[in-house]
Amino acid sequence: QKEVEQNSGPLSVPEGAIASLNCTYSDRGSQSFFWYRQYSGKSPELIMSIYSNGDKEDGRFTAQLNKASQYVSLLIRDSQPSDSATYLCAVFGMDSNYQLIWGAGTKLIIKP
Amino acid sequence: EAGVAQSPRYKIIEKRQSVAFWCNPISGHATLYWYQQILGQGPKLLIQFQNNGVVDDSQLPKDRFSAERLKGVDSTLKIQPAKLEDSAVYLCASSRTGGRNNEQFFGPGTRLTVL
Repeated sequence: QKEVEQNSGPLSVPEGAIASLNCTYSDRGSQSFFWYRQYSGKSPELIMSIYSNGDKEDGRFTAQLNKASQYVSLLIRDSQPSDSATYLCAVFGMDSNYQLIWGAGTKLIIKP
Repeated sequence: EAGVAQSPRYKIIEKRQSVAFWCNPISGHATLYWYQQILGQGPKLLIQFQNNGVVDDSQLPKDRFSAERLKGVDSTLKIQPAKLEDSAVYLCASSRTGGRNNEQFFGPGTRLTVL
């Protein structure tokens, strides 16, 4: 059974600080990695995708991928209260029958 | 570009009743997904369509759930009869393709409560 693991949190971060969210996965053949943000009562919203080792930056968000260690992380710089949400990690690989395997999410709380 | 549309947004039914959900994907997206999300969990794939064909329905409880995408555009998901444990949010998502660059975009979801 292919798995994606995330700390459920809540992760509490002061406003203006860097929030660091982590995700580990079991399938070494995984190819594509996604971070979704889900506000309470809303549907998941894609915020970052990453396909190769290293960092990918988009505004205040940076995704980091390390395939050798099988983890992917999301950094949020200058955290704002509006970043308070659950962040879902999703991983795509051939061994998962071409499906996204989802983590259960990390709840992030940004304290003013 | 219009997003994924779903209806209804909320539904409350008694157990053993039937219910249907509708989804219209983003224009031009060939792949459509139905997910079930229970509070505190990640989405669980129920069924994946590529155009009007089923790619994966291995986690669809086929004794009570059915889905169709007859013309390769919009889709319906039906539950008959509903059980208490079907209370969840039903999410529809679409992607341009089903390949590795598999960016999925979600509709607003339907919150189902079974009493």
